[in-house]
Amino acid sequence: EAGVAQSPRYKIIEKRQSVAFWCNPISGHATLYWYQQILGQGPKLLIQFQNNGVVDDSQLPKDRFSAERLKGVDSTLKIQPAKLEDSAVYLCASRHRKTEAFFGQGTRLTVV
Amino acid sequence: TQLLKQSPQFLSIQEGENLTVYCNSSSVFSSLQWYRQEPGEGPVLLVTVVTGGEVKKLKRLTFQFGDARKDSSLHITAAQTGDTGLYLCAGAYAGGTSYGKLTFGQGTILTVHP
Repeated sequence: EAGVAQSPRYKIIEKRQSVAFWCNPISGHATLYWYQQILGQGPKLLIQFQNNGVVDDSQLPKDRFSAERLKGVDSTLKIQPAKLEDSAVYLCASRHRKTEAFFGQGTRLTVV
Repeated sequence: TQLLKQSPQFLSIQEGENLTVYCNSSSVFSSLQWYRQEPGEGPVLLVTVVTGGEVKKLKRLTFQFGDARKDSSLHITAAQTGDTGLYLCAGAYAGGTSYGKLTFGQGTILTVHP
């Protein structure tokens, strides 16, 4: 069974630029999460989708971050414009009903 | 605010020693998961505990879920250098608007020295 796929693996941008991350969850997983992980810390939930609907986006900085999950499968997370403090690893995870969540390898973003 | 507190935040030990990592919350979870993460990789699931008082063993790792399903512990016996990594606990909520939400602790960075 294929795992959660994320791209790109690494991205370096200048502050005020835009960036987008892509996630393809495990087939059949209705729940999809985007997390932000600062180096050495636990992941912080940004947004949770159930199929193509948003369940929780309370910690998403909506003035600069946006996410969508068209057709309830793939998802994209966008930052526009980026700030230095956005430097982090962005993790995508998917989950089927009450089973465990499985994570992708993440995208390491560096904002300079 | 639903918080998961992990302790200790950092742990540096010698190979062969035992250690315990704790995960505590004031919230009740439907399940609690432990992950291990290596640099440059996503978290990898170690175990899920569901029933209050449950104990699960995975080779040298022992996981326990508190009776009230608010806390958990991870015990490693005779640590090895390969155990080095970031250990994360994550609680899943069952009901209401938090259904399916997975909240992580801040992590424990374990370093095992040869």
